[in-house]
This record gives sequence, structure tokens and C-alpha cells, in this order.
Amino acid sequence: ETGVTQTPRHLVMGMTNKKSLKCEQHLGHNAMYWYKQSAKKPLELMFVYNFKEQTENNSVPSRFSPECPNSSHLFLHLHTLQPEDSALYLCASSQDRLGAGEQFFGPGTRLTVL
Amino acid sequence: DQQVKQNSPSLSVQEGRISILNCDYTNSMFDYFLWYKKYPAEGPTFLISISSIKDKNEDGRFTVFLNKSAKHLSLHIVPSQPGDSAVYFCAAKNEKLTFGTGTRLTIIP
Repeated sequence: ETGVTQTPRHLVMGMTNKKSLKCEQHLGHNAMYWYKQSAKKPLELMFVYNFKEQTENNSVPSRFSPECPNSSHLFLHLHTLQPEDSALYLCASSQDRLGAGEQFFGPGTRLTVL
Repeated sequence: DQQVKQNSPSLSVQEGRISILNCDYTNSMFDYFLWYKKYPAEGPTFLISISSIKDKNEDGRFTVFLNKSAKHLSLHIVPSQPGDSAVYFCAAKNEKLTFGTGTRLTIIP
């Protein structure tokens, strides 16, 4: 595998379910990100991890819980979501958080909350 | 309050002609600007970038222009090809990337 991979690609869950999204980067990067893309809205940054430490939480509700066990893996744990949380969730990585280098994105997880 | 705006949700251009995608921003602290391209069912991929100290950067068929006084950014694609059909996002960076809403470009054969 190369680049940034995300699983699952599609997820349908009820409001009482607990599920997790997984992201893995094979680029040797030190920073990883979760973004949310809702219809007709810009990508919204949710969380930033730099060298496994969370450096930013963009006022995300606590029903979204990130986890970064190492620089290559990032998880987003989901529980008691709302229908308005249905969106495309994108993971990205970059060499470091503050550099000018571009971010590399995974293909995303299309989440539907019923 | 959207700091990065792409006011045209869609654009159609004849194959071989020039495509011009526009982006406006409000925050003068942005120091780097990037364009990303997104195909359906894929994540955005980096296309081209420009530092705030420059006014033009060219890479093959793609050129990005920056007008800091107008806080305006544009991406020129020439000649346009059918494979260029995608959604294009501009993004601006200070401590984080702030994205526009995207412009869907359709190249007509």
C-alpha cells in the first residue's frame, strides 16, 4: 500500500452505534489530520496530530474521539452520532504541521447516520 | 465566516481552451496558497502552490497567479483536457489549511 489509506470506504450506522474510522499513511509523515466534508461546504478541519500528540481540536463535539497510537495510524471513534454528522470524512498527512508542504489525502469514508 | 471563497460552483470549458478558476480570500496572514484537484470517490490531490512572496508559479499546463492587493488567486489550465474534469479546491495556509468550497470543472470534448 502506498500513500494514505482509509477504511472503511462506506459506513452506515444508527445513532446508538459505536464505530471507528481508520487511517494509515505510508509516507513517513509526522502530522496527520481529520477533515469533514459536508455537501456544499468547505473541508472542515477537525483534529490535528503532530508526532502523535494532538495539537488542535477544532471545537469538535465529544461524540467524535480521535486516537493516534503512532505516527502512521489515526483513528476516529464515533458514538451516538446525529444524522447531521453524515458526511465524507477525510484523513490527511503531511511532513510536519507547520511546513509549507502539501497535505496528502486518503480517499475518505462516506458516513451515513440513520 | 468563510475566509477562502470560490464563488463559481461550476465551470464548463471546451477542450483545448483555457480554464480559469478563481479564489478570493480575506485573511492577509495567509502565507501559502495551494490548489487541490478531486475526482469522485478519491481524496483531494495536490496540484500546485504559490508562496505569498510570489505572484506567479507555473508547472506544465498549470499556472497559479496571486494578486495580494486584491486578495485574489487564480488557476489557469491551458490547454484544457478531458482528464482535467474534476472539482478544484483552493486552500490557504497560515497555521492550518483553510479550504474553499470547490469549483466543478467540466471539459467538453
